[in-house]
Amino acid sequence: GQQVMQIPQYQHVQEGEDFTTYCNSSTTLSNIQWYKQRPGGHPVFLIQLVKSGEVKKQKRLTFQFGEAKKNSSLHITATQTTDVGTYFCAGAGTALIFGKGTTLSVSS
Amino acid sequence: DADVTQTPRNRITKTGKRIMLECSQTKGHDRMYWYRQDPGLGLRLIYYSFDVKDINKGEISDGYSVSRQAQAKFSLSLESAIPNQTALYFCATSDPGGGVPYNEQFFGPGTRLTVL
Repeated sequence: GQQVMQIPQYQHVQEGEDFTTYCNSSTTLSNIQWYKQRPGGHPVFLIQLVKSGEVKKQKRLTFQFGEAKKNSSLHITATQTTDVGTYFCAGAGTALIFGKGTTLSVSS
Repeated sequence: DADVTQTPRNRITKTGKRIMLECSQTKGHDRMYWYRQDPGLGLRLIYYSFDVKDINKGEISDGYSVSRQAQAKFSLSLESAIPNQTALYFCATSDPGGGVPYNEQFFGPGTRLTVL
């Protein structure tokens, strides 16, 4: 069945360093979504990518969708303490499958 | 989001008890979902409903049942709760369309369930 793998599971960075999380699907996806969950909170939608090779930016966040529509990445430039949380990808195929998430901690 | 509400927010119960978690939404979305979150396991889909007359099993439906009472209400029941159902439960809604099979999900605040 459809599987979505996300790495790393945890990442600790110093404030100002960059951060990247990667998402890989076992099947070709129709679209992929990214969510952020703050500690103690609920997942909040960040963005959706639909087209092969698509790149979207939101301030310091850059999202990419692979050419084969099977992988994606989220890159944060110059992390801030407000970036702390767990980032999930969700791949849409026959179902919407969430990755296990990458938990980001940032020390100042 | 206040648009998707869940009750109760916290619940402690005992093994064998029947539990119902409720979800209401004011977003006017047709699609509603129940997810379970365990540490390190991400979000796993329990059940989903694309309209009032539609109910579908998700990845981990065993031990759970659902009821879609109206477009705005979707309840999750644990018929006989067991300790490994201790988890954080999220309800979510979405709208169809946009040319993709699944659109942005709007999550409720979650229900933390503990089964002793």
